[in-house]
Amino acid sequence: ETGVTQTPRHLVMGMTNKKSLKCEQHLGHNAMYWYKQSAKKPLELMFVYSLEERVENNSVPSRFSPECPNSSHLFLHLHTLQPEDSALYLCASSQRGGGDEQFFGPGTRLTVL
Amino acid sequence: AQTVTQSQPEMSVQEAETVTLSCTYDTSESDYYLFWYKQPPSRQMILVIRQEAYKQQNATENRFSVNFQKAAKSFSLKISDSQLGDAAMYFCAYRSDYNNDMRFGAGTRLTVKP
Repeated sequence: ETGVTQTPRHLVMGMTNKKSLKCEQHLGHNAMYWYKQSAKKPLELMFVYSLEERVENNSVPSRFSPECPNSSHLFLHLHTLQPEDSALYLCASSQRGGGDEQFFGPGTRLTVL
Repeated sequence: AQTVTQSQPEMSVQEAETVTLSCTYDTSESDYYLFWYKQPPSRQMILVIRQEAYKQQNATENRFSVNFQKAAKSFSLKISDSQLGDAAMYFCAYRSDYNNDMRFGAGTRLTVKP
């Protein structure tokens, strides 16, 4: 266990559903990240929160909505997703600073029907 | 924008032998960090090794070492005395020192043969 947990681990949803992914870090970090990992593609950085403030949004569709209520918790709210959104969604955390190691959670395997 | 390229989708190595995984990147920045991450099957991604661009000395961590060629924008990972537990996907990553941008390569799947 690396100190970053994600729930649920697996999620199947229809295109009209609304669901949320949860990430929690127990490492005292102050930056958190959402990544999308699709088969045979590089990890895509979706959102970055530093000190609970969103500092980066890499042109992610609005059907993905992040929330960071405090430095330990990060959510990704999902609504009206498309089948191509099926992927492994990874959460990570780090201390602020470019060279700091990011600690990853186990991911949520999302399938959109 | 920065890009990271891993030209070897798959590699294999005999147990106890040495293997080198390639990574190149494209950037106009002078200050940045480079990483190799390992993702074992169905397990969490973990950091293998890190290199600061301002350091000329290549980073080493036990059996893992890098060959960092800043001018060539190359950052290869050498695994010595390969072990069965080294089998995983390996991702090369670039992080800017100016913003929070983090870029990953597509990964190299390493198989270790007993």
